[in-house]
Amino acid sequence: EIVMTQSPATLSVSPGERATLSCRASQSVSSNLAWYQQKPGQAPRLLIYGASTRATGIPARFSGSGSGTEFTLTISSLQSEDFAVYYCQQYNNWPPEKTFGQGTKVEIK
Amino acid sequence: EVQLVESGGGLVQPGGSLRLSCAASGFTFSSYWMSWVRQAPGKGLEWVANIKQDGSEKYYVDSVKGRFTISRDNAKNSLYLQMNSLRAEDTAVYYCARGSGSYGYWGQGTLVTVSS
Repeated sequence: EIVMTQSPATLSVSPGERATLSCRASQSVSSNLAWYQQKPGQAPRLLIYGASTRATGIPARFSGSGSGTEFTLTISSLQSEDFAVYYCQQYNNWPPEKTFGQGTKVEIK
Repeated sequence: EVQLVESGGGLVQPGGSLRLSCAASGFTFSSYWMSWVRQAPGKGLEWVANIKQDGSEKYYVDSVKGRFTISRDNAKNSLYLQMNSLRAEDTAVYYCARGSGSYGYWGQGTLVTVSS
């Protein structure tokens, strides 16, 4: 199983500031990496797939980068609606388990 | 519009069984892998299982192997998760999701509580 490790666990950011979230895979997943946003009581929402491609309707302030084992999600200027928990997920072909990271909570500073 | 609607959750005693369903609409169900993802109360997301378009391939997280069975009925546009020998640690909201990897569509989730 590929283990995904996210850091930090909690990120305190002021509105308008930049947020940088990290995700590390225990082995290479190429670019088979997705990022999700989840708010309380809601299902996750896909933000980024293929490590750097924004999903439909996702604002340009969200960007993803990286490949192999190191990945980053950047929110360029935090808006009030961006305070949430963010998860990375690898979906490499093999092994077949599509593991998630433990999440990063972005909170208001 | 793509819709995924889970049902079948509830309270069950340890060792019991439950069958979850996910009704799909708004897309060609038989063309997609489908998956189950769960989230324990206050915890993160955990991938549970997925199934190929024709049901010929199925994969599970280690913690549910031998206890859970994923299946689908393409004629009914439905995905299922049969859960046997349930444990307290299976308590979670269970989501169905479209695809085998990055999930652009999710259901609203159904809560499974395993408790005596």
